[in-house]
Amino acid sequence: KAGVTQTPRYLIKTRGQQVTLSCSPISGHRSVSWYQQTPGQGLQFLFEYFSETQRNKGNFPGRFSGRQFSNSRSEMNVSTLELGDSALYLCASSFQENEKLFFGSGTQLSVL
Amino acid sequence: AQKVTQAQTEISVVEKEDVTLDCVYETRDTTYYLFWYKQPPSGELVFLIRRNSFDEQNEISGRYSWNFQKSTSSFNFTITASQVVDSAVYFCALSARDTSYGKLTFGQGTILTVHP
Repeated sequence: KAGVTQTPRYLIKTRGQQVTLSCSPISGHRSVSWYQQTPGQGLQFLFEYFSETQRNKGNFPGRFSGRQFSNSRSEMNVSTLELGDSALYLCASSFQENEKLFFGSGTQLSVL
Repeated sequence: AQKVTQAQTEISVVEKEDVTLDCVYETRDTTYYLFWYKQPPSGELVFLIRRNSFDEQNEISGRYSWNFQKSTSSFNFTITASQVVDSAVYFCALSARDTSYGKLTFGQGTILTVHP
């Protein structure tokens, strides 16, 4: 069974640009959540989707958005990139909300 | 609000030593889950264990064991006879019913280095 797949693995952008990250959950999993990992702030929750509906959102500015498609694949978008958005963005999936999360290897975003 | 504290930032041991990683949590919810994840250099978080708030039984899985004590709000993780392959960052995490089980609150992580 394939794991959680995130693309691209690495991304370099400049300030002011926007970026879209993609996540394909494990087959059959309907819940997808996103986390940002930085050396200073650690792992922080961004948002969670279940059956195309956003169920929960972390404390991030509106520049961070996401969506989930009918096949459970998810994308997150960051507009007007700032230097502080440089981070490892991790996606996780689970079959239902109260089950363990399976994480992808992440997308390393560098904003120059 | 939930909070997870891993007081040990870094631990360094020699192979075959036992090592315990501490985790203390805070939550007002009576129904919650506790987790441990391992993050090797590849970046992927690898699930190790999930324990719900109603199950205080300790658990052992091979060289790994977990001690859950609600009285002290702790969920400690012990690796027995550590190996070089255990070197990684270990995260303790909490999810609670009130704020959605899909939202994990992570500790800051403990960097474990096992020397040969």
